[in-house]
Amino acid sequence: DSGVTQTPKHLITATGQRVTLRCSPRSGDLSVYWYQQSLDQGLQFLIQYYNGEERAKGNILERFSAQQFPDLHSELNLSSLELGDSALYFCASSEDYSNQPQHFGDGTRLSIL
Amino acid sequence: EDQVTQSPEALRLQEGESSSLNCSYTVSGLRGLFWYRQDPGKGPEFLFTLYSAGEEKEKERLKATLTKKESFLHITAPKPEDSATYLCAVQAGQAGTALIFGKGTTLSVSS
Repeated sequence: DSGVTQTPKHLITATGQRVTLRCSPRSGDLSVYWYQQSLDQGLQFLIQYYNGEERAKGNILERFSAQQFPDLHSELNLSSLELGDSALYFCASSEDYSNQPQHFGDGTRLSIL
Repeated sequence: EDQVTQSPEALRLQEGESSSLNCSYTVSGLRGLFWYRQDPGKGPEFLFTLYSAGEEKEKERLKATLTKKESFLHITAPKPEDSATYLCAVQAGQAGTALIFGKGTTLSVSS
């Protein structure tokens, strides 16, 4: 058990809809990262927050947004969903924003019908 | 462009048959190289971090090594429970904290 909790485990929704994925980091970790894993692209970095502030951005679509709250949990919001957004979404956390290991949750599987 | 390539894509071994997985990387300013194990339906599980060429880390049947261009994950006398996908990732650049992942090597160990 990595200590990172993601909910829900599965989400099934339709095109055009909006969903929110939630992540609770390991106790004491200030950085939260979001990654997308698809069969053809592998794991791709989306965005990072550190202690409530956005720290780095990857290939995150404009339809996607995230935030980190004062209690350090994070939410990833996906809107105007398309079939291609179907993927596994992982949250990871680390102590800070240096080169410390990132510890991953078990992901949310998003299926768009 | 920073890039991580893993080979082979898939590897089948008999129990006890040692082998190595390769991770080659092209990055500007390596800050760390990470190995993860991923089981089906689970998130990546952290195994090792290597920070500089020549560094080695060991854990049970696994040993990770690092050179200036690649890393190897050596598996000695594997068991069926070692079957998983092994992912290599790098952190690079002055302010880079995101992990850049390879596509992984799927290892199957049969008894």
